[in-house]
Amino acid sequence: SYELTQPPSVSVSPGQTASITCSGDKLGDKYACWYQQKPGQSPVLVIYQDNRRPSGIPERFSGSNSGNSATLTISETQAMDEADYYCQAWDSSAVVFGGGTKLTVL
Amino acid sequence: QVQLAESGGGVVQPGRSLRLSCAASGFTFNSYGMHWVRQAPGKGLEWVAVMSYDGSNKNYADSVKGRFTISRDNSKNTLYLQMNSLRPEDTAVYYCAKVMLERATMTDHYYYYMDVWGKGTTVTVSS
Repeated sequence: SYELTQPPSVSVSPGQTASITCSGDKLGDKYACWYQQKPGQSPVLVIYQDNRRPSGIPERFSGSNSGNSATLTISETQAMDEADYYCQAWDSSAVVFGGGTKLTVL
Repeated sequence: QVQLAESGGGVVQPGRSLRLSCAASGFTFNSYGMHWVRQAPGKGLEWVAVMSYDGSNKNYADSVKGRFTISRDNSKNTLYLQMNSLRPEDTAVYYCAKVMLERATMTDHYYYYMDVWGKGTTVTVSS
């Protein structure tokens, strides 16, 4: 079955750029999306179709996907961006989530 | 506004059954596919199942195939998850989530983006 791999944690200073990677076999041939989940809350879609933002998602969130990796980039990171982030793709009509990355804003 | 509200969770013994419901409001329910996703305590997200807007297509994670059944009643704006032969590893918060694009089919990538999520209902499988 298809697998997506994310680093367990990423740290960033306020105002800096955070990058979270998601790796999977030929992931660039698929579309990837990203969810943000804050403690005690439901996930929120922040990026879909590799690099598109749903309405209401700040412009500082962006995405890319090529080769075997997708990346979520958060520019000018704010304290409110501290959360768990999950990448997602699909394979053979089944949804696959990455294991999640805890973003800490120090 | 668009809302999803799960219910039906609780504590159940291994081997027993439980049915979850997801009541939808604020959008044309019969035009959107729906997913179930779960999250075990302290763990990541795990996809469970998806059903197309008209109920004609459904798909399951291998971990629940043959035990769980997704269904919907478009006249009641409600999605269901029938869970049989429950195991301790099924313990999780169960979320329902809406497919991003109306009338998206399983060959459309929009079918797999979940743009609205409920708050979840907790299922605990324990003796």
